[in-house]
Amino acid sequence: GESVGLHLPTLSVQEGDNSIINCAYSNSASDYFIWYKQESGKGPQFIIDIRSNMDKRQGQRVTVLLNKTVKHLSLQIAATQPGDSAVYFCAETTSGGYQKVTFGTGTKLQVIP
Amino acid sequence: GAVVSQHPSRVICKSGTSVKIECRSLDFQATTMFWYRQFPKQSLMLMATSNEGSKATYEQGVEKDKFLINHASLTLSTLTVTSAHPEDSSFYICSAERGDTYNSPLHFGNGTRLTVT
Repeated sequence: GESVGLHLPTLSVQEGDNSIINCAYSNSASDYFIWYKQESGKGPQFIIDIRSNMDKRQGQRVTVLLNKTVKHLSLQIAATQPGDSAVYFCAETTSGGYQKVTFGTGTKLQVIP
Repeated sequence: GAVVSQHPSRVICKSGTSVKIECRSLDFQATTMFWYRQFPKQSLMLMATSNEGSKATYEQGVEKDKFLINHASLTLSTLTVTSAHPEDSSFYICSAERGDTYNSPLHFGNGTRLTVT
C-alpha cells in the first residue's frame, strides 16, 4: 500500500486574519517560483508566481515575497476565508527549456470560522 | 482557459492488471507534459517528463517498464501502470506546459486515485 505520510506543517488562522505561509527553496539557480493551492482530492491550482528579478508581487488578496539571499519564499493571504483552507505548495524551476518544477513540502492551512 | 483534463478520477484494479490514465490539454497544445505521484500528506514527486513524439524522460528510481508513458499528440499523454501491485496505489497527477508561452505556470489535472487490491 501507500507509504505512511509525514504530517504536513499546519497553520491555523482565524477567519478574517492574514495568513503567512513560508517556504525555503533549495536551488540557488532557480529563477521562477510558483505558489499552488491543493484542495483535498484535487490537483494543484495556480495562485501566483514571481520571477527572480522581483522581490514582491501582488495579486488579489495574495502577495508573494522572494528573498534570494536566504532562498526564502512566502505567501501572504489577506483576510483569510474558509475557502482558503487547503494545502499550499511552493515550487521552483529554472528558465530555459521545459519546466521541471520541484515542489516544496507543503503547508496545510486551516481557517477557523 | 488552460484546462487539463485527467481521466479516470478514480480507479480500482486487481493486482497484476494494468491501468491506463489519460491526460489531455483541452484548449492548448502541450509540447511537454509531466507525471507526478503523491502519497498522503506528502508533496508531489515528479515521475517523468513526457515530450510529444519522443521517449519520456524518467526520474531516478522510477521504473520505465512499470510506468509506460506515451505522448502521441500535442494534447494527449497517457500513463500506464503495468502489472499493478498494492504498493502502486497512489494519487497520480499530470500537468502540461503550454507550447506557446515561455515560463508560464504549469496547469494540472485533477488527479487519478489508483487503488490496487
